[in-house]
Amino acid sequence: GESVGLHLPTLSVQEGDNSIINCAYSNSASDYFIWYKQESGKGPQFIIDIRSNMDKRQGQRVTVLLNKTVKHLSLQIAATQPGDSAVYFCAERPRGQNFVFGPGTRLSVLP
Amino acid sequence: GAGVSQSPSNKVTEKGKDVELRCDPISGHTALYWYRQSLGQGLEFLIYFQGNSAPDKSGLPSDRFSAERTGGSVSTLTIQRTQQEDSAVYLCASSPQGGGDSPLHFGNGTRLTVT
Repeated sequence: GESVGLHLPTLSVQEGDNSIINCAYSNSASDYFIWYKQESGKGPQFIIDIRSNMDKRQGQRVTVLLNKTVKHLSLQIAATQPGDSAVYFCAERPRGQNFVFGPGTRLSVLP
Repeated sequence: GAGVSQSPSNKVTEKGKDVELRCDPISGHTALYWYRQSLGQGLEFLIYFQGNSAPDKSGLPSDRFSAERTGGSVSTLTIQRTQQEDSAVYLCASSPQGGGDSPLHFGNGTRLTVT
């Protein structure tokens, strides 16, 4: 997959604002999607998932939106907190295949 | 309960030496994955084990890389004759089943530095 190397896309938001992290996926056969959060020195941590028969799913302070028409996935974080600062990855699972991970977006929460 | 455990957390080795990285998956998880993550980059798939089936080795970058999973539980990733470009974080993940709608649960990785 594509990679942006050391220069990850970065989203900077003010503490308390809402964050929207976007992901374009590539395979129209993908039927399961996951958002992960990765903090420095740790492995990716599951946030929320969604199946292709849904277009929206909500968790605690997070919402995932799926637009299959344009192959777009987004993660919305409400009332962003300093602890939300991390790199966020989307992952798609083409039917019958292994997960494919996006390049990641760095979220920076400003005080 | 206990998550995915990887050891060592850090490994520094000299170019040309062999290294072994260990992964203890979550108990009862039948699917086990190895990924590689280079600095500031995404996750590169290496190998996938599912139960007693033959592993999917399609992501291994060269024949210097191999992995095994004993007794359907612990897995070891071996890199022979390490090169500087092998420096990365090696992540292991497990899930209750492969191919189903279950997320991968990751360990914290082994940071490998080849000098």
